[in-house]
Amino acid sequence: GQNIDQPTEMTATEGAIVQINCTYQTSGFNGLFWYQQHAGEAPTFLSYNVLDGLEEKGRFSSFLSRSKGYSYLLLKELQMKDSASYLCAVMPSGGYNKLIFGAGTRLAVHP
Amino acid sequence: DTAVSQTPKYLVTQMGNDKSIKCEQNLGHDTMYWYKQDSKKFLKIMFSYNNKELIINETVPNRFSPKSPDKAHLNLHINSLELGDSAVYFCASRSSGGGLRETQYFGPGTRLLVL
Repeated sequence: GQNIDQPTEMTATEGAIVQINCTYQTSGFNGLFWYQQHAGEAPTFLSYNVLDGLEEKGRFSSFLSRSKGYSYLLLKELQMKDSASYLCAVMPSGGYNKLIFGAGTRLAVHP
Repeated sequence: DTAVSQTPKYLVTQMGNDKSIKCEQNLGHDTMYWYKQDSKKFLKIMFSYNNKELIINETVPNRFSPKSPDKAHLNLHINSLELGDSAVYFCASRSSGGGLRETQYFGPGTRLLVL
């Protein structure tokens, strides 16, 4: 079966760094996406990894290890507006490019 | 200009009714999706169309019927609505060509409440 695990909730302090982990087991692998979703809004694209290693994009970075079925999203210099759910999604192979989403990690940033 | 738009944004209706929700994208994408996000915020794919052809049909009750009149539009009709259909329904679209072009872009969602 297909399984994606991420922590349900995390809290962090404004200005700090937080790492949100995601582990996956899927039938093949064609890429991993991270999305941000604020309450009551649509998911918005943050990052994409298909090869092992770190992808950096401003305050956000995403890491992938395909052999370990593991990814993390790193958020630096946290701001209050970063309080949101962060969704890990994997594209299995041979599935017409559908995405399998994790349940999301709800991040609360405190002053 | 909104890239992926959905109507209506909110829909409150009685059990047993039939309703439709609509999606349009102006990104020139070939593939569109319907997702359901339940009260636990779990986002699950329902259907996908590529150039008006149904390519993904997950285990969804046949009360749900998608229709794609052209590659920029994807509608979802739901017959005999049940309480458990209450959720947020998101439309998404993506380009083709591999890699980052596979990124899906989501509409604002339709919040359906069945009473």
